[in-house]
Amino acid sequence: EAGVAQSPRYKIIEKRQSVAFWCNPISGHATLYWYQQILGQGPKLLIQFQNNGVVDDSQLPKDRFSAERLKGVDSTLKIQPAKLEDSAVYLCASSARQGPFSGNTIYFGEGSWLTVV
Amino acid sequence: GQSLEQPSEVTAVEGAIVQINCTYQTSGFYGLSWYQQHDGGAPTFLSYNGLDGLEETGRFSSFLSRSDSYGYLLLQELQMKDSASYFCAVRDQTGGFKTIFGAGTRLFVKA
Repeated sequence: EAGVAQSPRYKIIEKRQSVAFWCNPISGHATLYWYQQILGQGPKLLIQFQNNGVVDDSQLPKDRFSAERLKGVDSTLKIQPAKLEDSAVYLCASSARQGPFSGNTIYFGEGSWLTVV
Repeated sequence: GQSLEQPSEVTAVEGAIVQINCTYQTSGFYGLSWYQQHDGGAPTFLSYNGLDGLEETGRFSSFLSRSDSYGYLLLQELQMKDSASYFCAVRDQTGGFKTIFGAGTRLFVKA
C-alpha cells in the first residue's frame, strides 16, 4: 500500500514570497491533516479535512495560510506571504476513519521542509 | 483548549526499561496515542489507549488512567535504534475528532 506522498520535499524561499505544498493521502482515507512541526517541537495541527469539508482550522493563520482539498482526495497548502517564523516541516497525514470506534491511526508523509530566509 | 506535558529528555542504557510519562488536560478527551519519530523522519504510530489499562505491543506497552489524566509509554529491552523522539497525543472529540500532539520526549539510548 502506497503511503502519504508529499512534494516538494525541500523548499527555500525568501520572506514575503509564496509557496505551495501538495499532498496525496493513502487511497481511501477520508481524513487528511496538515501539521506544522518546528524543530524540537511536536506537530501542531493546522487544518483537518473530512473528505473535502473542514473539521478544524482553528490554528491556521488564515491571513497567510490557505488549504484546500478538492474532490476529497489531494490537498494543497499555500503560504503567502511567507515569514521567517514559517520555517518548519509541513507534515501531511491521513487516516481511514473518524468517529468513536476507531483508534484513528494517523499515517504521516515524509514532510515538506521549508526554510524562509 | 488542550495541554499535554511530557519530559523533554530521557536517557537510558541499552537493554534497560524506560518509562515516558504524559499528563494531559482537555475537555473532550477520547483516547491517548503514542508516536515515534526518528531524526529527519515522519512520526509513526506506536500505540493507542481508549480505555484504562495496559496495551502491549511487543517491546512497547502503553498505559492510561482517565481518572488521573495520565498515561505512559514503556519501552523494554532498549535498543540503540529506539533513540528517537516520542510524542503522546490526545484524541479530542470537541468539534469533531482531532489529534493534538505533545512537545515530545527525546530518548537517548546509550551503549
